[in-house]
Amino acid sequence: RKEVEQDPGPFNVPEGATVAFNCTYSNSASQSFFWYRQDCRKEPKLLMSVYSSGNEDGRFTAQLNRASQYISLLIRDSKLSDSATYLCVVNIGGGSYIPTFGRGTSLIVHP
Amino acid sequence: DGGITQSPKYLFRKEGQNVTLSCEQNLNHDAMYWYRQDPGQGLRLIYYSQIVNDFQKGDIAEGYSVSREKKESFPLTVTSAQKNPTAFYLCASSIETIGPDEAFFGQGTRLTVV
Repeated sequence: RKEVEQDPGPFNVPEGATVAFNCTYSNSASQSFFWYRQDCRKEPKLLMSVYSSGNEDGRFTAQLNRASQYISLLIRDSKLSDSATYLCVVNIGGGSYIPTFGRGTSLIVHP
Repeated sequence: DGGITQSPKYLFRKEGQNVTLSCEQNLNHDAMYWYRQDPGQGLRLIYYSQIVNDFQKGDIAEGYSVSREKKESFPLTVTSAQKNPTAFYLCASSIETIGPDEAFFGQGTRLTVV
């Protein structure tokens, strides 16, 4: 079983739609969680951190469920510019914190 | 501006050659990482370093070597022993002092074997 798993998609949605991605992780010692966005042939960039209490940044909401070991990302009112790959990142704890990536979920927003 | 710089952006290697990818950061981060990304795949960890003069193998270290002689620099050498080196290579750094923190990435090096 992979340490961080994501549905690769693609998720193909119209502008204005709400879309949600989930990511599961296997190591219960995981300490911190992030969503990154990666555009084609570019480096990943931090979209948002994921806190136990959940957090919201404009149209984006991230949630953490430690009991079920998953995190989620909700995008409301999708824009064409949201088209990208969204990478779930889990810092595995236990002495050293190594950012461990899921394979990413591809989102395509169409007019 | 603080950041993390990788060079070159594109690199072509002949079979049997070693090549070195540069990664420099001026963020005063302790931890640095090298990842490899293949098309349609996530990032896989090659090597990481949490402190100067120390580094650890990641999941796919075979055929690669690194050094960490300075805090700012973490070069990756792709040796001739790496059988399928064509990929997108990403270097990252994080503070990693009192706890886990987000990773910052360089712009990547796209290596092609010709």
